[in-house]
Amino acid sequence: GDSVTQMEGPVTLSEEAFLTINCTYTATGYPSLFWYVQYPGEGLQLLLKATKADDKGSNKGFEATYRKETTSFHLEKGSVQVSDSAVYFCALNMDSNYQLIWGAGTKLIIKP
Amino acid sequence: NAGVTQTPKFRILKIGQSMTLQCTQDMNHNYMYWYRQDPGMGLKLIYYSVGAGITDKGEVPNGYNVSRSTTEDFPLRLELAAPSQTSVYFCASRTANQPQHFGDGTRLSIL
Repeated sequence: GDSVTQMEGPVTLSEEAFLTINCTYTATGYPSLFWYVQYPGEGLQLLLKATKADDKGSNKGFEATYRKETTSFHLEKGSVQVSDSAVYFCALNMDSNYQLIWGAGTKLIIKP
Repeated sequence: NAGVTQTPKFRILKIGQSMTLQCTQDMNHNYMYWYRQDPGMGLKLIYYSVGAGITDKGEVPNGYNVSRSTTEDFPLRLELAAPSQTSVYFCASRTANQPQHFGDGTRLSIL
């Protein structure tokens, strides 16, 4: 079945470091791909999305490119801030399916 | 813009008690979802609904029930609370081909 695999956390970085959180997927068709962020004590918020191959989603300095050839949707940011500390979830959705398939989440800790 | 509203925000139950977690959305979304999130873990789908009068089981439905009498409301019922149901519960909604919108969650402890 369809699945999403994220790199295990926690990922600990210093402020202004470059961030990559890996996400790969398996799907029988052409899913839409999402990154959600969960700040401490809060619900999940959509961070960015991409709906077809080679699309790049971006928001708040974060970017992710839909790579069909490597079935990946890695999250990147050039210079992280302490306020980026959160749990990041990768997810996919097939148009034919009502459900999102979720990764396990990656906790990101940014130290000043 | 209210979005997805969950009540209560916190609750402590005794083993064997029952309660209903409320979820309402004002975006006229057809699809609604209930998830649980255990500490340090990802989301597990409990139940979902594709429209009023239609519900279906997710990954972990045992011990829960839902109903969807209106488009706006999707309550989650725990009939006999057990310690294993201690978790944070999230409700979400979406329309076709759009991302899910989440509520702020209900933190539930069963003691």
